[in-house]
Amino acid sequence: SQTIHQWPATLVQPVGSPLSLECTVEGTSNPNLYWYRQAAGRGLQLLFYSVGIGQISSEVPQNLSASRPQDRQFILSSKKLLLSDSGFYLCAWTHRGQGADTGELFFGEGSRLTVL
Amino acid sequence: QQPVQSPQAVILREGEDAVINCSSSKALYSVHWYRQKHGEAPVFLMILLKGGEQKGHEKISASFNEKKQQSSLYLTASQLSYSGTYFCGTSNNAGNMLTFGGGTRLMVKP
Repeated sequence: SQTIHQWPATLVQPVGSPLSLECTVEGTSNPNLYWYRQAAGRGLQLLFYSVGIGQISSEVPQNLSASRPQDRQFILSSKKLLLSDSGFYLCAWTHRGQGADTGELFFGEGSRLTVL
Repeated sequence: QQPVQSPQAVILREGEDAVINCSSSKALYSVHWYRQKHGEAPVFLMILLKGGEQKGHEKISASFNEKKQQSSLYLTASQLSYSGTYFCGTSNNAGNMLTFGGGTRLMVKP
């Protein structure tokens, strides 16, 4: 069966510090991978998606970046965090051949980031 | 463009019914429904594709009205476990990314 893991689950970072959130998927090959952000009490905002190793598409310009160094690994990074980066970050995947428009999104447990 | 969900919040007693609407300003290709418990990841409920279909999942079903550019989620005989925030995600064309609505907070009380 397929599983998705994110870490860390919770982190508190000062403004200006770097960020690295990691996501791995197991039990499937060539998944489409996504990073979403959810501000408190708000909906899900797509940040990045990837259809393959090294292929990253950005939906929202900001001080965050994403990388996919391996087929089932997706990393969200920042060199300098802003207060507005606080939120609940969710990694998700869909089966290869199924985009987010027709495929079920399988979400990770989420990483709650507080920037102080 | 973000779909609009209504109502924003609803409180029910166990056994009561609820309807959550999701409206788009553009033609819809697909509509997804997810439920999220507080502090947890969203969980998939169902997908509806262009064609005006209706789907059911136990006591939770949904309809897709292409003409109205709207989808509705129906929760019948609600249970305590139905509490959470319901999100719709819409795609306006094949291959487009989903855009999620702001969510509807549902609370079911004993």
